[in-house]
Order: sequence, then C-alpha cells, then structure tokens
Amino acid sequence: SYVVTQAPSVSVAPGKTATITCGGDIGRTSVHWYQQKPGQAPVLVIYYDGDRPSGIPERFSGSKSGNTATLTISRVEAGDEADYYCQVGDSSSDHRVFGGGTKLTVL
Amino acid sequence: EVQLLESGGGLVQPGGSLRLSCAASGFSFRSFAMNWVRQAPGKGLEWVSGISGRGGSTYYADSVKGRFTISRDNTKNMLSLQMNSLRADDTAIYYCAKDTAVNWNYVNYFESWGQGTLVTV
Repeated sequence: SYVVTQAPSVSVAPGKTATITCGGDIGRTSVHWYQQKPGQAPVLVIYYDGDRPSGIPERFSGSKSGNTATLTISRVEAGDEADYYCQVGDSSSDHRVFGGGTKLTVL
Repeated sequence: EVQLLESGGGLVQPGGSLRLSCAASGFSFRSFAMNWVRQAPGKGLEWVSGISGRGGSTYYADSVKGRFTISRDNTKNMLSLQMNSLRADDTAIYYCAKDTAVNWNYVNYFESWGQGTLVTV
C-alpha cells in the first residue's frame, strides 16, 4: 500500500521556525497540509504543495523537492501547537492517503 | 460560510450497521464532490470514501470497500454513509469533508470539514 512518512514530533521555541517534512513516493503528486488542534476538526493550511488558503497566515508556507515535501512555520506562536498531517493522492489506487501526522510542540 | 453538520454516530455491536448523515449549507452542494474521513481515538486521519458532485462516481478505501456505501441527495444537500458489518477497528470520529471540484480526483484535497460524529463499535 501507498506509504507517506512523517516524523512523530517536532519541538520549537516561540519565534523560531518549525520545519515539518513528509516523505514517500510523492515526487509526481501534489501534497496538501492540515492543522488539527486538540478536540477540533482539521483545517487546511497548504494545498498543491505551496498554495495557502485565504485566512491562513503568511507564516505558513509549503514546498516540495523530489520525494520530500516541507511545511514551514515561521515565527512560531503558542497557538501553532497542533498535529500536522500531509495528504497526497495515489494514482494507482485512486485513493487519498494521509501521513501519520507530526505533533508540533512549542517550548 | 460553508457548514457541514454530521449526525448518526453512536454505539453499535460488532457486525451491526449504522447510517451517518452530513447536512451541508453555505455553498452549491451539487457542484462539489464530498468525502468521509475518519480518525480512530488517538490516531491519525484516514480517508474513507468520496463521491462526485452528481453522485455517479464513488470511491472507497480498501479497509471499508464492500461494507460501506457513500451516497448523496442533492435535493436535500445531504451526504450519507451506510456502514454495515461494523468491526471494532471502525471505531472513530467520522468527518464529512468538502472537496474542491465537482469531479472527485485523487490529486485534490479536503477544503472544509465538519466537526465529526463518533462511532463506537
């Protein structure tokens, strides 16, 4: 089955930059990112590798190089503490697949 | 404003059935594909099923294929998920999620989410 990997956790101090990565056979597909705070539904923060929905702060950015996609959060705030999931599409199965999620802790 | 309100969750015995519903408002429902995504307690997100805007095309995760059926009623702006032969590992919060176009495509994403409904098997 299609596997997309994320590190389980990332920690960062307030005001610094957080980098969350997503890996796998994703070089030829688009990557989307979601933020999920405890007890809440997920929220789309980045789509098509690097586009940002309206209402999402410019501090959130996305990129992809080869088989690694990166979500970057600049000037991290306490309110950014959440789980972050990447999502891709699998052309061979016509499925959508999520990474396992990365818990961002703001120190 | 897009609003998605799930209902129908609850406690069911293994082997039983349950029907989830999602009432949509704030957008042209028939113009967008829709999805169900679930999250087991303390676990990550799992796409379950998708359906095109007109309802003619449906898609299922391997874990639910043959047991779950997605459908929609565009006259009532309602999305449904009929779940049969339920198992303990189907226990999860089930989210209704709006897609980005009328045709479902694996490359697209989940633009808006409901608050979810809990299913316990």
